[in-house]
Amino acid sequence: NAGVTQTPKFQVLKTGQSMTLQCAQDMNHNSMYWYRQDPGMGLRLIYYSASEGTTDKGEVPNGYNVSRLNKREFSLRLESAAPSQTSVYFCASRDSGISTDTQYFGPGTRLTVL
Amino acid sequence: QKEVEQDPGPLSVPEGAIVSLNCTYSNSAFQYFMWYRQYSRKGPELLMYTYSSGNKEDGRFTAQVDKSSKYISLFIRDSQPSDSATYLCAMRGLGNFNKFYFGSGTKLNVKP
Repeated sequence: NAGVTQTPKFQVLKTGQSMTLQCAQDMNHNSMYWYRQDPGMGLRLIYYSASEGTTDKGEVPNGYNVSRLNKREFSLRLESAAPSQTSVYFCASRDSGISTDTQYFGPGTRLTVL
Repeated sequence: QKEVEQDPGPLSVPEGAIVSLNCTYSNSAFQYFMWYRQYSRKGPELLMYTYSSGNKEDGRFTAQVDKSSKYISLFIRDSQPSDSATYLCAMRGLGNFNKFYFGSGTKLNVKP
């Protein structure tokens, strides 16, 4: 049971390059999320997917696109990277019920855009 | 103004001390409150989850919510060096099931 996995762990891009961050979970959760974490800003929601086949914008969606490929996988794409997108990116899946509401986070992708 | 405010620290305490971590918030609609622990270069992990006001205890950890003051706290008793991490508060309202608001985190260092 690997939980939430993310690839790659580190990436350096030049301005204007594109890339896709991959995320997969093996806990059979319906909801998945992409966050970015910047110093002094906390975690900010980029996009989320409440169930397979649906995606919605979060707080900071500009410059990003997502795909919920199936129940397990949720990818984040930067079409034309900008230095402002230098950040640590976390994917999470969620287990919610009557007495719990837990987001399980992956280990993160550290992205630098030059 | 941020929705959730949290002192970034760092907070440095000796082993065995009682630690108090706090967040304030501005949105009275928040009903669900969480504390996450994040070790360096790792993803956050859920420590405590509470609904509405009151206290919840789990081992050495106690979460307190005071909705009238828009103030939440996490207490750690008998702190250990392994508690050294960044602690993030998070909260959401009833209206948007998927929208969580996170504090920026307080860095805690427990010295042996």
